[in-house]
Amino acid sequence: AQKVTQAQTEISVVEKEDVTLDCVYETRDTTYYLFWYKQPPSGELVFLIRRNSFDEQNEISGRYSWNFQKSTSSFNFTITASQVVDSAVYFCALTPRGGYQKVTFGTGTKLQVIP
Amino acid sequence: EPEVTQTPSHQVTQMGQEVILRCVPISNHLYFYWYRQILGQKVEFLVSFYNNEISEKSEIFDDQFSVERPDGSNFTLKIRSTKLEDSAMYFCASSEAEGVNTEAFFGQGTRLTVV
Repeated sequence: AQKVTQAQTEISVVEKEDVTLDCVYETRDTTYYLFWYKQPPSGELVFLIRRNSFDEQNEISGRYSWNFQKSTSSFNFTITASQVVDSAVYFCALTPRGGYQKVTFGTGTKLQVIP
Repeated sequence: EPEVTQTPSHQVTQMGQEVILRCVPISNHLYFYWYRQILGQKVEFLVSFYNNEISEKSEIFDDQFSVERPDGSNFTLKIRSTKLEDSAMYFCASSEAEGVNTEAFFGQGTRLTVV
């Protein structure tokens, strides 16, 4: 069985603050993939990043960065210098297989960036 | 930029009625998926579809649900006799290939309200 836990239900930050969204996962598979998706108020799911279990390098994309630590089964997401447009629900997700079948999503973290 | 489109954006139906949710995947994609998100909860996998047949389905996808690709461009999800608990946001997604090295693109969702 696999599980994704996003313990932070809601976070509020003031614009320009940095914020880290936590994601902890459980899986028995040795090969797996982790994702982050953004769901803005308009409702669609926007792909942010995909990581496979063999690649523990941290990744930075503009103001976004991801810290993957296999030892603690965590895949945390940091937004630097947050902006109001970052306000959304962020989902962490896991799939043990080569496809998008049976992706397990976390319950999401609602981020509110206050101007 | 190519996108997955879903219609309608919001559907209200009476309990016991049949409903069909429509999706137009990206044209060169071969793998299609339906997910659902009950309000305020996590996104859950329903079914995946390839080569005109279901390749995988979850426990949620019972006999009340069916999928079809009627004309080579649309991908539909039918719920035969809707229940109150079917109220949710339904997301369609498509990918070029099965492996997660290709991105799955999600539509903007159809909000289904069963009254």
